[in-house]
Amino acid sequence: QVQLQESGPGVVKPSQTLSLTCTVSGGSVGSDTYYWSWFRQPAGKGLEWIGRIFASGSTNYNPSLRSRVTISIDSSKDQFSLRLTSVTATDTALYFCARGLVGARQPEDLWGQGTLVTVSS
Amino acid sequence: QSVLTQPPSVSGAPGQRVTISCSGNGSNIGTGYDVHWYQQVPGTAPKLLIYGNDNRPAGVPDRFSGSKSGTSASLAITGLQAEDEADYYCQSYDSTPSGLTYVFGSGTQVTVL
Repeated sequence: QVQLQESGPGVVKPSQTLSLTCTVSGGSVGSDTYYWSWFRQPAGKGLEWIGRIFASGSTNYNPSLRSRVTISIDSSKDQFSLRLTSVTATDTALYFCARGLVGARQPEDLWGQGTLVTVSS
Repeated sequence: QSVLTQPPSVSGAPGQRVTISCSGNGSNIGTGYDVHWYQQVPGTAPKLLIYGNDNRPAGVPDRFSGSKSGTSASLAITGLQAEDEADYYCQSYDSTPSGLTYVFGSGTQVTVL
């Protein structure tokens, strides 16, 4: 059974870089069958897509975050990562990683439990 | 601010039918992009409820159904149950100069009276 687990610092200082990792257990991020996404949700607010990465390393980003976001993949560790630079309080949110099926109409169907990141000095 | 518009809340008694609307425009739903629906208990991960406008993933009860027309979509829950109390989000895609992006609705809280 494939599972996704987010990890990373729970607190990041303003202007610094937020770095999170999603570890995939029971599966391989190197499979061409899937792509891997990041989402976030501020407390009491809606979901926001951050971006996604394919096994090839190809990425798509939310235009509103593109200048600050990098998503990378490490097949040797079955992990993919999120870097968000120059964070502010508005980046405080519950961050989720998720898996999608390439070429399918079905969107991301497997999600991690989420990890809370607070931007605070 | 969410791209897709949903009512903030809907409510119904057990056994009743409720619907949630999701309104977009010509650059997202109206372009023909699929609409998906997620169910989320606050503080937990979203669960895919409907994909491709009107398809249910395995394991989702047939009490949940989706539809799409023009620039809008709807989620219907028939035979409302206490366990259906959650937040519901629609999701589609939008064409931008930078490429395709995901867009979400503002979310609808369903309350079972």
